[in-house]
Amino acid sequence: GAGVSQSPSNKVTEKGKDVELRCDPISGHTALYWYRQSLGQGLEFLIYFQGNSAPDKSGLPSDRFSAERTGGSVSTLTIQRTQQEDSAVYLCASSYTGETQYFGPGTRLLVL
Amino acid sequence: GENVEQHPSTLSVQEGDSAVIKCTYSDSASNYFPWYKQELGKRPQLIIDIRSNVGEKKDQRIAVTLNKTAKHFSLHITETQPEDSAVYFCADAGAGSYQLTFGKGTKLSVIP
Repeated sequence: GAGVSQSPSNKVTEKGKDVELRCDPISGHTALYWYRQSLGQGLEFLIYFQGNSAPDKSGLPSDRFSAERTGGSVSTLTIQRTQQEDSAVYLCASSYTGETQYFGPGTRLLVL
Repeated sequence: GENVEQHPSTLSVQEGDSAVIKCTYSDSASNYFPWYKQELGKRPQLIIDIRSNVGEKKDQRIAVTLNKTAKHFSLHITETQPEDSAVYFCADAGAGSYQLTFGKGTKLSVIP
């Protein structure tokens, strides 16, 4: 079946603009996760959804970051007033069992 | 988990030799330990995982060992091939936890 998909694949924006990143999880997967990966670095946890609720928002770096999930499926990660340090690859993952996570291809965000 | 340390950060081996990557974790409640492989510019992909009720798991040239007493687990790749070159991430998850805590990654280079 189809894997996790993300859009856009690449996004270039100007400092101060808002951006919205989208994640389509694998059908039937109830859990959805957002991570950030800076160049050559590891995976930084941002937020996790179980269904439509987000029990763990501890990883969001600032109040400029927010995420929502509707219908237990698609999720959007919004970054307001982007800064250059927000430049990174934003990865989404989904899981059914709550353990094995399957990753999407990521959105490469560049803030100029 | 709370914290996962991964060593080494870089590893170069000759084709055909074995490679070993080690991770230690701090959360004694951790009970799930996956390994992900990430090729340059691509998404992380699960290659093997182990749960705390077993000490070793093998899948062809890849094996993972777990020592719960010492709180460490290792990835073993035998008969390495150039296509094994990638960044490998270990991770752990606590009992009932949906959140994976990742190590910082090991860049493996297999020299032909």
